[in-house]
Amino acid sequence: EAGVAQSPRYKIIEKRQSVAFWCNPISGHATLYWYQQILGQGPKLLIQFQNNGVVDDSQLPKDRFSAERLKGVDSTLKIQPAKLEDSAVYLCASSLLRQDLYEQYFGPGTRLTVT
Amino acid sequence: TQLLEQSPQFLSIQEGENLTVYCNSSSVFSSLQWYRQEPGEGPVLLVTVVTGGEVKKLKRLTFQFGDARKDSSLHITAAQPGDTGLYLCAGAPIGTASKLTFGTGTRLQVTL
Repeated sequence: EAGVAQSPRYKIIEKRQSVAFWCNPISGHATLYWYQQILGQGPKLLIQFQNNGVVDDSQLPKDRFSAERLKGVDSTLKIQPAKLEDSAVYLCASSLLRQDLYEQYFGPGTRLTVT
Repeated sequence: TQLLEQSPQFLSIQEGENLTVYCNSSSVFSSLQWYRQEPGEGPVLLVTVVTGGEVKKLKRLTFQFGDARKDSSLHITAAQPGDTGLYLCAGAPIGTASKLTFGTGTRLQVTL
């Protein structure tokens, strides 16, 4: 079974530029998550999708971040304009309800550096 | 916001030593998961505990869920260099099983 795919793996941009990340979840996983992970810390949830609908985006800085999952499969996360403090690893995860549990499977992440 | 505090934050030990990582919260969780993350990779699920007092073993790793489902521990016996990584606990709040709150992380380094 293929895992969660993300691209690009690394991105360096200047502040005020825009950037987009792509995620392809595990086939059949209805729930998709985007997390931001600052170096050495635990991931922080940015947005959660169930199929193509948003379940939770309460921690997404909506003035600069946006995300979509138009067909309920792939997803993109965009930052415009980027700030220095956006430097982090952006993780995508997907999950499937199995025996009343959601176990999340993560992609390798995209490391963003904003200069 | 439900917080999960992990301790210690950093741990550097020699091969063969034992260690315990703690994950504590004032909130009750319906389940708790432990992940290990290596540099440049995403977290990998190790185990899920659901029942208060539950103990699960994965080779040299022993996971325990607190009786009140507010805390958990991870014990590693005879650590090996391959155990090096960032250990994360993550709790699913009551009523929102699909959403996880991640702990602050414990970075473990095991040297020869």
